[in-house]
Amino acid sequence: NAGVTQTPKFQVLKTGQSMTLQCAQDMNHNSMYWYRQDPGMGLRLIYYSASEGTTDKGEVPNGYNVSRLNKREFSLRLESAAPSQTSVYFCASSELGGDTEAFFGQGTRLTVV
Amino acid sequence: QKEVEQNSGPLSVPEGAIASLNCTYSDRGSQSFFWYRQYSGKSPELIMFIYSNGDKEDGRFTAQLNKASQYVSLLIRDSQPSDSATYLCAVNEGERNSGGYQKVTFGTGTKLQVIP
Repeated sequence: NAGVTQTPKFQVLKTGQSMTLQCAQDMNHNSMYWYRQDPGMGLRLIYYSASEGTTDKGEVPNGYNVSRLNKREFSLRLESAAPSQTSVYFCASSELGGDTEAFFGQGTRLTVV
Repeated sequence: QKEVEQNSGPLSVPEGAIASLNCTYSDRGSQSFFWYRQYSGKSPELIMFIYSNGDKEDGRFTAQLNKASQYVSLLIRDSQPSDSATYLCAVNEGERNSGGYQKVTFGTGTKLQVIP
């Protein structure tokens, strides 16, 4: 099993450009997440999808949009990239419930110049 | 703002020693606690999960939880250079058995360096 797969692994954007980060999981999980990780800030939740058909804002949603395409896929879109969005982005998935482990994708290192 | 706090480190320990990593949390209602390990340039992976007060052991790893003090720790016995990584504490703020979506807040992580 591949687990959680996200693409691309690296991306450089110019300010104002748009892009979509793709994420797919093959574990039949209900919940999927997008985090960003910045030095000294830890993992911060951007958006999450508790189950297919629902999406909700996390801690830092401004400048991002998401789509839960189906149970497997959850994409993150930057409509107009800004240098403040330079970060490492992680997609994750888990089952519902309080004791469940989150499985992470390999990360996307995004640089906005 | 509910918080999860960790010392960023680096925490340096000699090979074979015990590494002690600490985490405090602000939400007294939190019920589930996780320790993730993240190697440089890699994604986090779960190493321990605890929800009851006291100790939980898994091989060289022991998680300790004290809900009264809002404190969770991770002990790594016989530390190895391969344990060098950043350790993230994560706290589930919801009810353990309620099902549904549960919000998990991550700390900023403690960088551990095991010196050969």
